[in-house]
Amino acid sequence: GESVGLHLPTLSVQEGDNSIINCAYSNSASDYFIWYKQESGKGPQFIIDIRSNMDKRQGQRVTVLLNKTVKHLSLQIAATQPGDSAVYFCAENRGNFNKFYFGSGTKLNVKP
Amino acid sequence: GAVVSQHPSWVICKSGTSVKIECRSLDFQATTMFWYRQFPKQSLMLMATSNEGSKATYEQGVEKDKFLINHASLTLSTLTVTSAHPEDSSFYICSASKSWTGGRNEQFFGPGTRLTVL
Repeated sequence: GESVGLHLPTLSVQEGDNSIINCAYSNSASDYFIWYKQESGKGPQFIIDIRSNMDKRQGQRVTVLLNKTVKHLSLQIAATQPGDSAVYFCAENRGNFNKFYFGSGTKLNVKP
Repeated sequence: GAVVSQHPSWVICKSGTSVKIECRSLDFQATTMFWYRQFPKQSLMLMATSNEGSKATYEQGVEKDKFLINHASLTLSTLTVTSAHPEDSSFYICSASKSWTGGRNEQFFGPGTRLTVL
């Protein structure tokens, strides 16, 4: 059922600092993961993905780390900018080729 | 590019009425589309998988008679919220899956539809 009254955890960082957003996933069969950014009132936007045969992948200013042993993902954002302020979700693909299940999300607040 | 649109972007309706939301892939064909629901300050919850030309597959706990999905073409899927009630008020988001040769399908999200039921 739906959870009522949940509030997203918030990470506040200073502009220019590095940010680390964490996500725990539940299904050990999940083999593909994506980080999404969602701005208020908009749909999710793809940031970076990683397959389960990797433990690290880098993009432009972003790095995703995957620890399959403890079922944990992290998203690192270098030199965080005000435009990075948004809610970040990890999504896991549980073996079905295209179905993704989203984690609970973290709100990133970048202070100028 | 791979653009997905939704219409309407927001809708207000009276309790007991039905509302139809459209999801279109504008510049690619999508054999599979997905519908999500998102309550304020919560995550996206997958509701159903919509396959072109066949019946939608619903996630556990989602009433198929309440949320009617039609995927009549490779570029259009519709979600109809039947006999809407205030608890159906939410942000509905669709995504469309695009096939890449030799790789995993990529999913592109629409901008969402805000439904408010009075």
